[in-house]
Amino acid sequence: GAVVSQHPSRVICKSGTSVKIECRSLDFQATTMFWYRQFPKKSLMLMATSNEGSKATYEQGVEKDKFLINHASLTLSTLTVTSAHPEDSSFYICSAGTSGRAGSYEQYFGPGTRLTVT
Amino acid sequence: QKEVEQNSGPLSVPEGAIASLNCTYSDRVSQSFFWYRQYSGKSPELIMSIYSNGDKEDGRFTAQLNKASQYVSLLIRDSQPSDSATYLCAVNGAGSYQLTFGKGTKLSVIP
Repeated sequence: GAVVSQHPSRVICKSGTSVKIECRSLDFQATTMFWYRQFPKKSLMLMATSNEGSKATYEQGVEKDKFLINHASLTLSTLTVTSAHPEDSSFYICSAGTSGRAGSYEQYFGPGTRLTVT
Repeated sequence: QKEVEQNSGPLSVPEGAIASLNCTYSDRVSQSFFWYRQYSGKSPELIMSIYSNGDKEDGRFTAQLNKASQYVSLLIRDSQPSDSATYLCAVNGAGSYQLTFGKGTKLSVIP
């Protein structure tokens, strides 16, 4: 299957600072990437869809000015959590879509980034 | 509102048994169906995809799709303790990358 990397895998930051998370598709080009958040023992929650060369599409209730997404190339999307607060502590996971069988798209996930805001 | 429903479990099966995981979806025009495995503290891993009615087998895993009943299942034969994880059912429509996920079924395989 396709490989997606994320960096960093873990980050601890102080309240009020910003954190950037990188998501890369290593062996394929991804015009679309997705950012999810997952709290302990909870379901995946889609935050936004990242489109190469255009603005991200945010899900309802996700603050676009707080979670800045940039998809500058076909293999890289970044999520910046601005002015982080303890309630932003979570597991952030990106995924990238690639074509599977004719007409289908498969999503592959990165390993995730565990953010802790102190 | 597209919905994907799964029994949250936990589903407990003894080692060596067949584990059966079920999923129903609401959007009749859904075209692609996926099973992801997620270990605790890790990200989801794609283990099976199925696009047409019937069965698809890959090793110990068999995915079954019935579009008329809007039902997809995953069978795990000869279950191993290492299969203990949460299994996520996901669905998408034609030409769409975006997936709708179920909440997952937690599987425990008892040695």
